[in-house]
Amino acid sequence: EMQLVESGGGLVQPGRSLRLSCAASGFTFDAYAMHWVRQAPGKGLEWVSGISWNRGSIGYADSVKGRFTISRDNAKNSLYLQMNSLRAEDTALYYCAKEEGSHDAFDIWGQGTMVIVSS
Amino acid sequence: DIQMTQSPSSLSASVGDRVTITCQASQDISNYLNWYQQKPGKAPKLLIYDASNLETGVPSRFSGSGSGTDFTFTISSLQPEDIATYYCQQHDDLSYSFGQGTKLEIK
Repeated sequence: EMQLVESGGGLVQPGRSLRLSCAASGFTFDAYAMHWVRQAPGKGLEWVSGISWNRGSIGYADSVKGRFTISRDNAKNSLYLQMNSLRAEDTALYYCAKEEGSHDAFDIWGQGTMVIVSS
Repeated sequence: DIQMTQSPSSLSASVGDRVTITCQASQDISNYLNWYQQKPGKAPKLLIYDASNLETGVPSRFSGSGSGTDFTFTISSLQPEDIATYYCQQHDDLSYSFGQGTKLEIK
C-alpha cells in the first residue's frame, strides 16, 4: 500500500524554524516528484513547494519563497520542508503529496502534520 | 502566477441532482487542470486529472470538461457520500495553484 506519513509539526514562536519530514512507503519514491500542500484552519488548500524526482526542478509559492526549503533523500524515501522565519500566517496543516508520473496530479496524500506559529 | 477562480463557493443540492462547479484560469492552461474532493478531517482525494480523465476507482457519476481557461466539474446524480469540499488545481511547469473550493451540502 502506498503511504505517506508526515511528522515534525508543533507549536513554534514567530521567527523560529521548524523542519517537517515525510516518510514514503509502498512505491518507488525516487521515481516521482513530491510536494507540500498546506491548509490553514477552516481555509482552502495552498500549494507550498514541489521537487522533481532528481532534485533538478524545485518550485515555491510566493508566500514562502526565501523562507522555506524543500529537499529529499531518495536513499531514505523521505521528503523534507525546512521552514525558517515562521509567521503566524504559516499556521496550517501541512500535507505531503506524491505527483503521479504520467500526469501532474497529486494521487497520494499523507494525513498531514499541524504547525502552529504563536507566541 | 496563474490564478484560479472557482464558483460557487458553496452549493446546496438534493440527492439525485446534477451538480456543476466551474473553475476559470487567469491564463491558458491547456488541459492541465485537476479536481479533488476533501471530506471533513481527511486529506484531499484526486478525482479528475488533465481536465477530463477519471482517476482509477472513482465513480463514473463524476466527470470533468474544458480546456484553455474554462473548466467544469459535474456530479451527474448527487449521492449522500458526495458531501465534501471540491477543489480545482492547475499546474504550470513547477508552479501549482488551487481554486478557493466549493463546499457541497445536501438540501
